[in-house]
Amino acid sequence: DSGVTQTPKHLITATGQRVTLRCSPRSGDLSVYWYQQSLDQGLQFLIQYYNGEERAKGNILERFSAQQFPDLHSELNLSSLELGDSALYFCASSVRIDGELFFGEGSRLTVL
Amino acid sequence: AQKITQTQPGMFVQEKEAVTLDCTYDTSDQSYGLFWYKQPSSGEMIFLIYQGSYDEQNATEGRYSLNFQKARKSANLVISASQLGDSAMYFCAMRGQGGGSQGNLIFGKGTKLSVKP
Repeated sequence: DSGVTQTPKHLITATGQRVTLRCSPRSGDLSVYWYQQSLDQGLQFLIQYYNGEERAKGNILERFSAQQFPDLHSELNLSSLELGDSALYFCASSVRIDGELFFGEGSRLTVL
Repeated sequence: AQKITQTQPGMFVQEKEAVTLDCTYDTSDQSYGLFWYKQPSSGEMIFLIYQGSYDEQNATEGRYSLNFQKARKSANLVISASQLGDSAMYFCAMRGQGGGSQGNLIFGKGTKLSVKP
C-alpha cells in the first residue's frame, strides 16, 4: 500500500459526459501528479501541483482540468468525454520535488 | 527533450535466474534521476529503485540493482534470482531538473517480464 488513495477505482460512463477523479496523497506529501496510461500512448504526464499551486503541465487536454485543495487532496475533472479518453488514470505524490513518486492504484475509466 | 527508450517489449526468464531489463535515456540536463517501477497485472505502480546522476555507485535494493553507465546513457535494471511474482511490466523513468519538468517523471514504454517455473 503506497498510501495514495484514489477514488473511484472503476468508472463507466458515456461519451459527452463529465467525471471527477479524486486523489488523497500520502500524509505529508505536498506534490501531486496526474498521469494517464493507455495502451497506445503509454504513461503520459498530465499535470503536477505543489502545495496547492500548479507546478508543471504535460499533455493535458483542454477538456481536462485539475486542482489541489488546501487539505492537499486533488481532483482531476474530465469533461466532454470521448472514447479515446478510456484509460487508467494515476495519481502520485511525493514529499520532495526530487523524491520518488508513490502511485495510487489508479482509476480505470471506460467511456462507452 | 528528454526521452526514455526500452527496446525489449517482452522478455522471458527462468525462475531463479537473473535477468537484465534495458533502458537508455536522453537528456541535456546535468543533474537527473533515474527510476524503475513495476506494474503487476493488478495495475498498481510500485517503486523499485532510484539512481541519481551524480551517484558514483550503482543503486541496489534487495534483489534489484541498477547498472548505471552514464557515458552510454543507460540504466539497466538487474533482477537476481527471479521469482514467479516478478512477472509484470517494468518501466524505466527519468526526472530532469530543468524547465517545466521539475518533478514529473518521463516514462519509457515498458518491458513485460514473464518468469517461467
